[in-house]
Amino acid sequence: AQTVTQSQPEMSVQEAETVTLSCTYDTSESDYYLFWYKQPPSRQMILVIRQEAYKQQNATENRFSVNFQKAAKSFSLKISDSQLGDAAMYFCAYGAYGGSQGNLIFGKGTKLSVKP
Amino acid sequence: GAVVSQHPSWVICKSGTSVKIECRSLDFQATTMFWYRQFPKQSLMLMATSNEGSKATYEQGVEKDKFLINHASLTLSTLTVTSAHPEDSSFYICSASRTGDFYEQYFGPGTRLTVT
Repeated sequence: AQTVTQSQPEMSVQEAETVTLSCTYDTSESDYYLFWYKQPPSRQMILVIRQEAYKQQNATENRFSVNFQKAAKSFSLKISDSQLGDAAMYFCAYGAYGGSQGNLIFGKGTKLSVKP
Repeated sequence: GAVVSQHPSWVICKSGTSVKIECRSLDFQATTMFWYRQFPKQSLMLMATSNEGSKATYEQGVEKDKFLINHASLTLSTLTVTSAHPEDSSFYICSASRTGDFYEQYFGPGTRLTVT
């Protein structure tokens, strides 16, 4: 069975600084998707970034980028120029590719605090 | 675009009663909708996957007679918690996928259920 592990329950970063959130996963599949979701206090899940496993290039969305290491099964999220609005729970998620319903398996989350 | 709503946002019910939660895709058609449950300070756990016009597929350990899911149209899925008990109190989140794109789920804002 696939698993997703986020080893940092809480992280803190100073405003305008950079922070990296860690995520590792376990799968025997070769094709899959990886996601980072943000859940602010409103509880609304927001997709931050998505990575297809077959793509070697790391995904980037403005201040958010990932370091995808397929062999190591590692998928970290880097937030640059952190803003107060980035404070939230961040969930790493794995999605099976092809043949399944696209179910997402979530990690336990990392609570990110941003200090002004 | 890609907005998903849930109603109600918060509901309190007495033990033994049933409560229905609606999930709507407002500006797109969703052939697949997912229902998640989130306990306080924990991750999302997939409960079931529903496809329009067919029976829902439940995850292992989820009682399908207790959590009734109906995906009656391409824009509406409902979750009915039957004979609710205090242990059913939780945060329920739905998500919806556009046709043919299972890996880009749009999440609703969630429903907090409190059973007294």
